[in-house]
Amino acid sequence: RKEVEQDPGPFNVPEGATVAFNCTYSNSASQSFFWYRQDCRKEPKLLMSVYSSGNEDGRFTAQLNRASQYISLLIRDSKLSDSATYLCVVNPDRAGTALIFGKGTTLSVSS
Amino acid sequence: GAGVSQSPSNKVTEKGKDVELRCDPISGHTALYWYRQSLGQGLEFLIYFQGNSAPDKSGLPSDRFSAERTGGSVSTLTIQRTQQEDSAVYLCASSLTHRGRGTDTQYFGPGTRLTVL
Repeated sequence: RKEVEQDPGPFNVPEGATVAFNCTYSNSASQSFFWYRQDCRKEPKLLMSVYSSGNEDGRFTAQLNRASQYISLLIRDSKLSDSATYLCVVNPDRAGTALIFGKGTTLSVSS
Repeated sequence: GAGVSQSPSNKVTEKGKDVELRCDPISGHTALYWYRQSLGQGLEFLIYFQGNSAPDKSGLPSDRFSAERTGGSVSTLTIQRTQQEDSAVYLCASSLTHRGRGTDTQYFGPGTRLTVL
């Protein structure tokens, strides 16, 4: 099992749609989790951290399910500008180990 | 404040030549990471520096790749005897620390696009 797995998509949705991405991780000791966004030919940028209680930032909601070892990202009222690749990121909390990035889920929002 | 900077932004080289890529992390960030991303692919971890600890080199694909971090700040990634398969975008990131809520967020530089002819 890969350490971080995501459905690569692409997800093609119309403007205004609600879309959800899931990500699974293999290391149950992982402590911190993030969603990053990467636009075409640009560097990844932090979208939001994911905390145990779940968190919301405007149209974006991130949830963590430790028992099932998955993280989700929900985008409501999709905008054209949401089109990007969304990377699921996990800190495996092993000494000397960097964050582990999923390969990303591509979202395309059309008018 | 200033973000992570990388230079050069683009590098075209001939097969067999050596290249050096530079990363200036955010001031005060103790952790520094190198990744590469081939066209249409995910991020591939290369190497990670944390303070004065020995770097984690587990992601380096071959002994042609090496990196150093001088004075706990600037880092240089060196690729010797470049091959065409080394063509990719090389991304550097830094974080305040490696652990702890909010302090392990990685901030990426714009990357160096390396093309090996």
